[in-house]
Amino acid sequence: DIVMTQGALPNPVPSGESASITCQSSKSLLHSNGKTYLNWYLQRPGQSPQLLIYWMSTRASGVSDRFSGSGSGTDFTLKISSVEAEDVGVYYCQQFLEYPLTFGSGTKLEIK
Amino acid sequence: EVQLVETGGGLVQPGRSLKLSCVASGFTFSSYWMYWIRQAPGKGLEWVSSINTDGGSTYYPDSVKGRFTISRDNAENTVYLQMNSLRSEDTATYYCARGTMINWGQGVMVTVSS
Repeated sequence: DIVMTQGALPNPVPSGESASITCQSSKSLLHSNGKTYLNWYLQRPGQSPQLLIYWMSTRASGVSDRFSGSGSGTDFTLKISSVEAEDVGVYYCQQFLEYPLTFGSGTKLEIK
Repeated sequence: EVQLVETGGGLVQPGRSLKLSCVASGFTFSSYWMYWIRQAPGKGLEWVSSINTDGGSTYYPDSVKGRFTISRDNAENTVYLQMNSLRSEDTATYYCARGTMINWGQGVMVTVSS
C-alpha cells in the first residue's frame, strides 16, 4: 500500500500570512500519462471534506486561487497564501494512483 | 447543483448487517465512478469502496473485503453499501463521493455496539 505522510503546521498561523502543508508518498504518484494522482482536501469543522486540488496542481471548481498545489512524484506541498478564518480545518492529501486509495493522516490549520 | 444524500445509518449490534444508500442529483450519475469513504470519530479519512460507471468493477480495502458490497442503480441514481458482519471498528461517519471525490455527501453515522 502507498503510505501518505503529512507534516504539521506551526499553529496558530497569523491571519494574512502564508501556510504550506507538506505530504510525502511512499511511491511515485506520477502516472505514465504525465499526470500526478495526488488530491488535496479541506475538512472544515463539522463539515464534509471538500476537494481543493486534483492532479497535484489543478484547482477544483470554485476554489480560491489562494490555494496552490505543487510537487514532484513523491513530495508535495499545498500552499495557502494569506490565510483567512474560513481556511481553518484539517487538510488531507490522498493518492489516487492505485488501490487501495490512501489518505494522509491530516494537518490541522488554526488561525491567530 | 450536485447533491449526494446518504441514508440508512444507525445503531447496530456487532455481527449484524446494515445497508447504506446515497441518492445523487444534479449530474449524469451513470457517467461517474462512485466511492464510499468513512471517518471514525475524531480520526482521519479511510477509503471504503469504489464502483465503476456500469457497476461491473468494484474495489475494497482489506479491512472490509468480503464483508462490504458496493452496488449502484443507474436508473435510480443511487449507490449502495451493504455492510455485513459489522464490527465495532466499523463505527464511523460514512460519506459517498462522486468522480475523483469531486463532491461529497453530508455523511451518515454508523455505530456498531451491543
